[in-house]
Amino acid sequence: DTAVSQTPKYLVTQMGNDKSIKCEQNLGHDTMYWYKQDSKKFLKIMFSYNNKELIINETVPNRFSPKSPDKAHLNLHINSLELGDSAVYFCASSQASSGVGDTQYFGPGTRLTVL
Amino acid sequence: GENVEQHPSTLSVQEGDSAVIKCTYSDSASNYFPWYKQELGKRPQLIIDIRSNVGEKKDQRIAVTLNKTAKHFSLHITETQPEDSAVYFCAALGGGFKTIFGAGTRLFVKA
Repeated sequence: DTAVSQTPKYLVTQMGNDKSIKCEQNLGHDTMYWYKQDSKKFLKIMFSYNNKELIINETVPNRFSPKSPDKAHLNLHINSLELGDSAVYFCASSQASSGVGDTQYFGPGTRLTVL
Repeated sequence: GENVEQHPSTLSVQEGDSAVIKCTYSDSASNYFPWYKQELGKRPQLIIDIRSNVGEKKDQRIAVTLNKTAKHFSLHITETQPEDSAVYFCAALGGGFKTIFGAGTRLFVKA
């Protein structure tokens, strides 16, 4: 069974397009995250949701909008894609509420390439 | 703002030798310090973690130490093997409820 899954695994698109990445976890966790990993492998938190409520919103452009229809899903929609958005995007989940240290389980990542 | 610095950025060791990766953090409210291993093309996975009420934790060949006064924590891998080759990330959970990752250390273990 896949604990944290993301689709698609690869996404190649033109500048200016709008795209979405989907994430699902079957671990029953309360908290989900989106991270961006750039070409230098730096992992940076973008958003975090706890029980469908946004609790962390880093300085991310408004073109990025997360949506959590239920606590098992956290999707990421990106408008007007730019070259600098090219990166690997990881979804993750953890059992405890944010603020309590707990293992984060990462999805397989989505490699986004903007041409 | 919160910051986690990690050194070295690259580490090359001979199989069987030990590897040490060091991190410092800025937020004195940080209370949880996980270490993640990311193999090439794969997702990060937790290998060990330590909480602020503990100074040292060991799990087979890996150990982590924490010095809260100095805001330092370190990962120690003994008897390294080629399969230990990966990028290792330290992280700290701060008072702002977000996990800040270090920049990563690329470990090469030469057979």
